[in-house]
Amino acid sequence: DGGITQSPKYLFRKEGQNVTLSCEQNLNHDAMYWYRQDPGQGLRLIYYSQIVNDFQKGDIAEGYSVSREKKESFPLTVTSAQKNPTAFYLCASSVLDRDNSPLHFGNGTRLTVT
Amino acid sequence: AQTVTQSQPEMSVQEAETVTLSCTYDTSESDYYLFWYKQPPSRQMILVIRQEAYKQQNATENRFSVNFQKAAKSFSLKISDSQLGDAAMYFCAYIPTGSYQLTFGKGTKLSVIP
Repeated sequence: DGGITQSPKYLFRKEGQNVTLSCEQNLNHDAMYWYRQDPGQGLRLIYYSQIVNDFQKGDIAEGYSVSREKKESFPLTVTSAQKNPTAFYLCASSVLDRDNSPLHFGNGTRLTVT
Repeated sequence: AQTVTQSQPEMSVQEAETVTLSCTYDTSESDYYLFWYKQPPSRQMILVIRQEAYKQQNATENRFSVNFQKAAKSFSLKISDSQLGDAAMYFCAYIPTGSYQLTFGKGTKLSVIP
């Protein structure tokens, strides 16, 4: 089955520690995205990548970093500089075309930092 | 900056009845796409319906249909014959053609009453 796998489903960290969220897709999609979701809020774009070894900041990139060393993988690191890291994080991918093909989402990772 | 507004934080509908969720957006673009996504309790985002702005005809997908009013910048979702499985958060989203930044509304929580 093709899809997007995010792991782990729940993640707990102490304040001051960096943490990396995994996202893998086997859909052969060129574009990948990271979104953050907070209660009562829509999804907000953190970073996106259209091609290997290239990525762009979204609306709320501060305190986050990403890498895109492989087409299938787009890990997100939440650094200690992120002031409010506790949130639900969603990874997505899409075909890269001008028709704005819909995003396919993973099941998300719930990060709790105490 | 583009904005997407969902004015109904919560809605409820009796099973088998029809409900309409509202969405308005603000843009100066003439060419764009609109989406409705569903997020059930599992929290995975699922595409419900997609509308191209240049198409006059309203999109439909089985029991789901939209009322797209381009001049009014309105994009409502109608769910007919509501089922218990329709209970979820529904997000409206907008993207200009060729862009990679999808803008989401804050969502409407739909409850289905048996």
